[in-house]
Amino acid sequence: DTAVSQTPKYLVTQMGNDKSIKCEQNLGHDTMYWYKQDSKKFLKIMFSYNNKELIINETVPNRFSPKSPDKAHLNLHINSLELGDSAVYFCASSRGGSRSYIYEQYFGPGTRLTVT
Amino acid sequence: KQEVTQIPAALSVPEGENLVLNCSFTDSAIYNLQWFRQDPGKGLTSLLLIQSSQREQTSGRLNASLDKSSGRSTLYIAASQPGDSATYLCAFGSSNTGKLIFGQGTTLQVKP
Repeated sequence: DTAVSQTPKYLVTQMGNDKSIKCEQNLGHDTMYWYKQDSKKFLKIMFSYNNKELIINETVPNRFSPKSPDKAHLNLHINSLELGDSAVYFCASSRGGSRSYIYEQYFGPGTRLTVT
Repeated sequence: KQEVTQIPAALSVPEGENLVLNCSFTDSAIYNLQWFRQDPGKGLTSLLLIQSSQREQTSGRLNASLDKSSGRSTLYIAASQPGDSATYLCAFGSSNTGKLIFGQGTTLQVKP
């Protein structure tokens, strides 16, 4: 009964390819997030969605496109992958909408993306 | 610029010691502060959440404090165990930006 799940756990691909990462939460939360953790362990938010609506969109290349088919799912599609995209990508969820930062966030296990 | 600094970056202690991890932040519009634990190759697990109106929270051997005026939070771990070995991250919820801002973490190793 995993709360926040991500697939795949590992993703190795070549530059220029397009790939997707999927995330699902069974906590009944309204808000979902994508975070990127770089090689220096900095964790930074990329996007957040509330009830399928985009709330936060950080300065992220438009090669990254999130999609939320319903409030329990948030997928991340990446076009034309570059070496600098190599990182661990975490999905998270919480209660709340525009004030979701006031609630506890629950994280998935992460997807380690390696671009060669 | 909003920043979160965690000191030390790494810490190694013998089993049984009490220890303190430090977190400082620059944004005065803090709504809450959260401490997370990250095990190697795993996601983050929320440990404690302190609202800005609170001074501290306790869970088992963990105690987190918050001093908004000085921009500091501490995580106190009592009677450390090898199973406590992990990276501990603090993050504050900003009412200015509506985001969680994370520090780089303190990597703790507790030796048996």
